[in-house]
Amino acid sequence: EPEVTQTPSHQVTQMGQEVILRCVPISNHLYFYWYRQILGQKVEFLVSFYNNEISEKSEIFDDQFSVERPDGSNFTLKIRSTKLEDSAMYFCASSESGEAFFGQGTRLTVV
Amino acid sequence: AQKITQTQPGMFVQEKEAVTLDCTYDTSDPSYGLFWYKQPSSGEMIFLIYQGSYDQQNATEGRYSLNFQKARKSANLVISASQLGDSAMYFCAMREGRRNYQLIWGAGTKLIIKP
Repeated sequence: EPEVTQTPSHQVTQMGQEVILRCVPISNHLYFYWYRQILGQKVEFLVSFYNNEISEKSEIFDDQFSVERPDGSNFTLKIRSTKLEDSAMYFCASSESGEAFFGQGTRLTVV
Repeated sequence: AQKITQTQPGMFVQEKEAVTLDCTYDTSDPSYGLFWYKQPSSGEMIFLIYQGSYDQQNATEGRYSLNFQKARKSANLVISASQLGDSAMYFCAMREGRRNYQLIWGAGTKLIIKP
């Protein structure tokens, strides 16, 4: 069964460093998303991506964040200068037209 | 105002009993979709069931069914014959309009199944 794959599963980084979170969406899906979930809190929408451009972004998705689809299969989230409050589980998701399928998440810890 | 409200932060249910997890939503858009996801302690987010606002019948997927009451703006998840493996966080989420963009999430309900 096709699935969304995220790497790495865990990432520890020092405050101020750049991180890139990687995702391989399901191959025939057209819509891609990043969400985050701070420990014990709600899932929050970050950004959606369609037709090689950002279609919607939340107020969380400020200038320190960027997304890219560098080739036909990968979808990345870059955090330029990490802050302690960026520590969270980051989920990538993709959809064809209906339900979104999520990856297993990347747990980012900023120290 | 909260778009998605899950009023039960936690629930304990005896194994093999049915359980209903509450979800109410708020939107003025006539076209929307409602989703339920399960998040086990391992952290992944697992899609369970979907209900579209124009769907005539309540959605069902195996032991999961969605009690959709449009006039009351509620979309409760019913799990029949609960199993120990059902212990997890359960999130209700909504997508507004015909856009395939963001999901709006509830705070979740932590379900614990007792043997």
